[in-house]
Amino acid sequence: DIQMTQSPSSLSASVGDRVTITCRASQSVSSYLNWYQQKPGQPPKLLIYGASSLQGGVTSRFSGSGSGTDFTLTISSLQPEDFATYYCQQTYTSVFTFGPGTTVDIK
Amino acid sequence: QIQLQESGPGLVKPSETLSLTCTVSGGSISSYYWSWIRQPAGKGLEWIGRIYSSLSPNYNPSLKSRVIMSVDTSKNQFSLTLTSVTAADTAVYFCARDNWVEQWGYYFYGLDVWGQGTTVTVSS
Repeated sequence: DIQMTQSPSSLSASVGDRVTITCRASQSVSSYLNWYQQKPGQPPKLLIYGASSLQGGVTSRFSGSGSGTDFTLTISSLQPEDFATYYCQQTYTSVFTFGPGTTVDIK
Repeated sequence: QIQLQESGPGLVKPSETLSLTCTVSGGSISSYYWSWIRQPAGKGLEWIGRIYSSLSPNYNPSLKSRVIMSVDTSKNQFSLTLTSVTAADTAVYFCARDNWVEQWGYYFYGLDVWGQGTTVTVSS
């Protein structure tokens, strides 16, 4: 199975900050990498698919990049509603796996 | 606007079978993959598996020996059965639509519509 890791596991940031989260796969997943945002008590929300394509209705503050084994999610200017946990997910194989998550909280 | 709703017992005894149903409203269950994901309290997401009505399902290898997924197109529902449960199966269980986008001749999947989740506790 493909294992996913994320770094950092948590970070503290201020409104307006540029935030970058990293996701790494144990083997190449090409561009089959998604990013989700989850707030407490809510289901996750798809932000990015195909490593860099913005899901419909998602603000352009979010962007994704990378291919192969290394990926990043960037929030260009952190807003109050962006404080949440972010998960990557690979869909390269028939067995999908999530990363362990990165929690973004208020500094 | 498609919506998903999980239903099933909130409490299951150890060694027994957990059965959940996800009802799809506002759209057809046909032509999509449908997934189950779970999340223990305070922890991350675990992909359980996915199913397409006319194809064999894909399961997480760690659960494969205990999981069965099925689709009932007549009811617009899909279901999850997990046998021989233990306390480690206590979690919020989500159902989700596994949508796809074709780009450059490749198909990219993503969980774009989710149910609100249902809490299942395994306890005697």
